[in-house]
Order: sequence, then structure tokens, then C-alpha cells
Amino acid sequence: DIQMTQSPSSLSASVGDRVTITCRASQDISNSLAWYQKKPGKAPKLLLYAASILESGVPSRFSGSGSGTDYTLTISSLQPEDFATYYCQRYYTTPLTFGQGTTVEIK
Amino acid sequence: QVQLVESGGYVVQPGRSLRLSCAASGFTFSSYGMHWVRQAPGKGLEWVAVISYDGSNKDYVDSVKGRFTISRDNSKNTLYLQMNSLRAEDTAVYYCGKDYAMFSFVQNWGQGTLVTVSS
Repeated sequence: DIQMTQSPSSLSASVGDRVTITCRASQDISNSLAWYQKKPGKAPKLLLYAASILESGVPSRFSGSGSGTDYTLTISSLQPEDFATYYCQRYYTTPLTFGQGTTVEIK
Repeated sequence: QVQLVESGGYVVQPGRSLRLSCAASGFTFSSYGMHWVRQAPGKGLEWVAVISYDGSNKDYVDSVKGRFTISRDNSKNTLYLQMNSLRAEDTAVYYCGKDYAMFSFVQNWGQGTLVTVSS
């Protein structure tokens, strides 16, 4: 099975900061990568898919990049509503594995 | 708009069974694959199962194979997860989700239903 490793597992940041989260696959996943935001007690929310395509309605401060095995989620200017846990997920072949998550906390 | 409403979560004893349901509306249910994803307390997201739009293809995470069965009734716009031989480690919030295309990512999520396996 393809493993997904996110880093860091948590980070502290301030409003307005630029935040970068990394997701590494154990083998080439050919941009078959999605990013989700998860807040406690709420359903996950799709942010991006195909590594860099922004889901409709998601603010443009969120962006994604990468290829092969290494991918990045960037929040260009952190807003108060962005404090949450972020997950990457590879797809198209099962099992559809998630990364372990990155919690973005208020500094 | 897409709406997914899970139900059926309960407190059950180890070894017992439970069936979750997910009522779908706001889209053509019979045209989309569907997923179940869970989150154990304090843990991350774990994909559980997927079913194709017509129910002909299904797959599961290894930890539930042989115990869980995903199914759907397109006439009722409803997705199911039959969970047998439940274990403490199955305790989680279970989310249903609408597949984007052909066993890909979850584009829309329900609010989740809590399953607690405890004696």
C-alpha cells in the first residue's frame, strides 16, 4: 500500500503568516492528491484536488503544488478561520490513504 | 445543493452488529460512487470503504474486510454500511461522502454519526 506522510504534525502560526504543509507519498502518485480541512465536530471540507485545483468556493489563499511523491499545501495569509487540522489523501487506487494530519494552531 | 445525512450510530457491545445509513439528496445519487470514512477519537481520518455508482464494484480497508459490507439502494438514494463483529477499535465518527469520480476523493461529506463499541 502507498503510505502518505505529512509534516509537520503540528505548527503554531499567527494571523497573516504564510503556512506550508508537506505531504510525501511512498511512491509516485501522479498528482492524484487531495487536501482537506477538518475542524472539531465538523465534517471535513475538500480544499484542493489533483494536487493544485482549487475546489469551488475555497478562498484563493489556499494553493497546492507538487509532483511525483512530494506535495505542498500553502496558505498565503493565515486567517482566524483557518486554524484547523489539514489532511492530504491519495486516490484512484485503493486503499485511499490519508496522511496523519497537520494541526495549525494559534501562536 | 448536495446533502448527506448519516444515521444509525449507537453504543454497541463488542461482537455485535450495526447498520449505518446515509440519505443523499441534491444530486443524482445513482450516478456517483460513495465512500465511508471514519475518525476515531483523537485520531486522523481513515478511509473505510467505497462503492461504485451501480454497486457493482466495492473495496475496503484491510482492517474491516470480511466484517463490513458497503451497499446502496439507488431507488431510495441511500448508502449503507453493515458492520458485523464490531471491535473496540471500530469506535469512531463515521462519515459518508460523495465520490468525485471513479474511486477518487470525497467531494461532499455528511456530518457524521458516532459509533461506540464498548462493553
